Amino acid sequence: GNSVTQMEGPVTLSEEAFLTINCTYTATGYPSLFWYVQYPGEGLQLLLKATKADDKGSNKGFEATYRKETTSFHLEKGSVQVSDSAVYFCAPNYQGGSEKLVFGKGTKLTVNP
Amino acid sequence: DAGITQSPRHKVTETGTPVTLRCHQTENHRYMYWYRQDPGHGLRLIHYSYGVKDTDKGEVSDGYSVSRSKTEDFLLTLESATSSQTSVYFCAIRNRADYGYTFGSGTRLTVV
Repeated sequence: GNSVTQMEGPVTLSEEAFLTINCTYTATGYPSLFWYVQYPGEGLQLLLKATKADDKGSNKGFEATYRKETTSFHLEKGSVQVSDSAVYFCAPNYQGGSEKLVFGKGTKLTVNP
Repeated sequence: DAGITQSPRHKVTETGTPVTLRCHQTENHRYMYWYRQDPGHGLRLIHYSYGVKDTDKGEVSDGYSVSRSKTEDFLLTLESATSSQTSVYFCAIRNRADYGYTFGSGTRLTVV
């Protein structure tokens, strides 16, 4: 079945460090790819997305590139801030049929000052 | 903003009692979903709906039922609540533009 593998956390970084959170998915068709972020006590909200190969999604200093050849969509940020502390979820949308997002288990990021 | 609201935001109930959670949306989205979120499990799909009276099971549907009698409301019912159903429940709608989801703020349910 369709699945996504996301880097296990928790991840703890110091402010201004470089962040990478790995995400790979099973290559069924050509899914759209999403990263969601969940701040403490809140629901998930869309962080960025990419809809076709080689597209780069970006928002709030975060970036992720749709890599069809490696079926990956790794999240990166060059300089994290304390306010980036949250849980991050990778989610490919396997379109067709029920059209459900498949979520990774989430990666908890803590950024220390 | 997709105009999605969940109610109640918090609820404590006793084992064996029925509980209904409500998800309401204001923008006529066709697809709606119920997830539960638990430590170590991420988000797990309970049920979803692809139209009025059209629903289907997700990966953790046992002990839950849903109803969608009108486009704007998607109800999740725990017929007889158990402690294992203590969780945070999120409703989501699928956006027409990009097929991503917009989530509600969640309902924290505690079964004692």
